[in-house]
Amino acid sequence: DVKVTQSSRYLVKRTGEKVFLECVQDMDHENMFWYRQDPGLGLRLIYFSYDVKMKEKGDIPEGYSVSREKKERFSLILESASTNQTSMYLCASSGTGFQPQHFGDGTRLSIL
Amino acid sequence: GQQVMQIPQYQHVQEGEDFTTYCNSSTTLSNIQWYKQRPGGHPVFLIQLVKSGEVKKQKRLTFQFGEAKKNSSLHITATQTTDVGTYFCATNFGNEKLTFGTGTRLTIIP
Repeated sequence: DVKVTQSSRYLVKRTGEKVFLECVQDMDHENMFWYRQDPGLGLRLIYFSYDVKMKEKGDIPEGYSVSREKKERFSLILESASTNQTSMYLCASSGTGFQPQHFGDGTRLSIL
Repeated sequence: GQQVMQIPQYQHVQEGEDFTTYCNSSTTLSNIQWYKQRPGGHPVFLIQLVKSGEVKKQKRLTFQFGEAKKNSSLHITATQTTDVGTYFCATNFGNEKLTFGTGTRLTIIP
């Protein structure tokens, strides 16, 4: 079974802090994704990566950056956290082509 | 950007009643996936449809892909409390990333 592990289930940070969210998958998947989920808005793609060191912007990349130095790990970085980035963050991975995405349990991030 | 519209946003049904959620697109889709997210959980893949007019069943769940490949539906027969959650459709528009519908949140009245 595919395992996608997010480093924290809950996280509380202050505005202006630099925040790192980590995601690790164990299935050698090429693709990895970061979403945020807000009530009524569904899942919105922030960034995705289709290979090591490769990244592409999703629908809402502003205020975020990503890093993929190893195939199994995909990090989301909030350069200077703001209160409007309070949300549930979900990481996912998949094989190439239109393969099912496998999600982690999510990180509920609160920015105070 | 391109998007898929999903309706309804919420659905409350009595246990034992049927439930249907719909996804619609203004453009032809090459494929569609369905996911379920339980309360407090993460989205879990249910099924993928590729062919025009395709119908697939998983026990009480029936998934359809429209003949024109612009819409899809998920129908649950005789809902049970275990069906509670939010159901999402998702598709790609010619690349590796998925675009998700806004989801239909199903609640069951026992």
